[in-house]
Amino acid sequence: NAGVMQNPRHLVRRRGQEARLRCSPMKGHSHVYWYRQLPEEGLKFMVYLQKENIIDESGMPKERFSAEFPKEGPSILRIQQVVRGDSAAYFCASSPRTTSGGADSSYNEQFFGPGTRLTVL
Amino acid sequence: SQKIEQNSEALNIQEGKTATLTCNYTNYSPAYLQWYRQDPGRGPVFLLLIRENEKEKRKERLKVTFDTTLKQSLFHITASQPADSATYLCALEYSGGGADGLTFGKGTHLIIQP
Repeated sequence: NAGVMQNPRHLVRRRGQEARLRCSPMKGHSHVYWYRQLPEEGLKFMVYLQKENIIDESGMPKERFSAEFPKEGPSILRIQQVVRGDSAAYFCASSPRTTSGGADSSYNEQFFGPGTRLTVL
Repeated sequence: SQKIEQNSEALNIQEGKTATLTCNYTNYSPAYLQWYRQDPGRGPVFLLLIRENEKEKRKERLKVTFDTTLKQSLFHITASQPADSATYLCALEYSGGGADGLTFGKGTHLIIQP
């Protein structure tokens, strides 16, 4: 039972290039979350997606960042025209269900991948 | 905006003793409060969750308390072992609105000394 998979594990880009980070959720999970962790900082929520839908992107920078979770294939976090400040560890997490209201609300344990460490030169 | 505070300095505990980590938050209480463990170079791993209407939750050597009046959660590891050394993250989750991303604290680095 494979866990959340992310690739690449390490990515080096020069300023102005594009970075594509991939995340395959755990089998049976249809909810994906992306977080960014800067050195000496906590994990910051970026975006929450379900298959073919962006549910909440309140943590995404307004420019250069985008995310998708297509019907088939992994979720992709795309950073265009990278700058040095984008250097960070990017973590993907998946969850089997959401807790948004309802009598049958369940906890939202999130299963994290190993992360992609992006270095912008 | 919501602010989460965890002990910023490393916590050194002797093996066999109980380690207690603190998580304080401001403003409104979350629906759920979660604790994760993170080892260097790895993603966080879920440990325990406690709901806003629960006072205490236990799992093996772990215990979490949640006081919505004090706006505080305590995380205890009893009979601590060197293998428990890691960074422990507190995370808040707010229900409703479809926004189920977690709000994390910066974490407390725990060192269990043999």
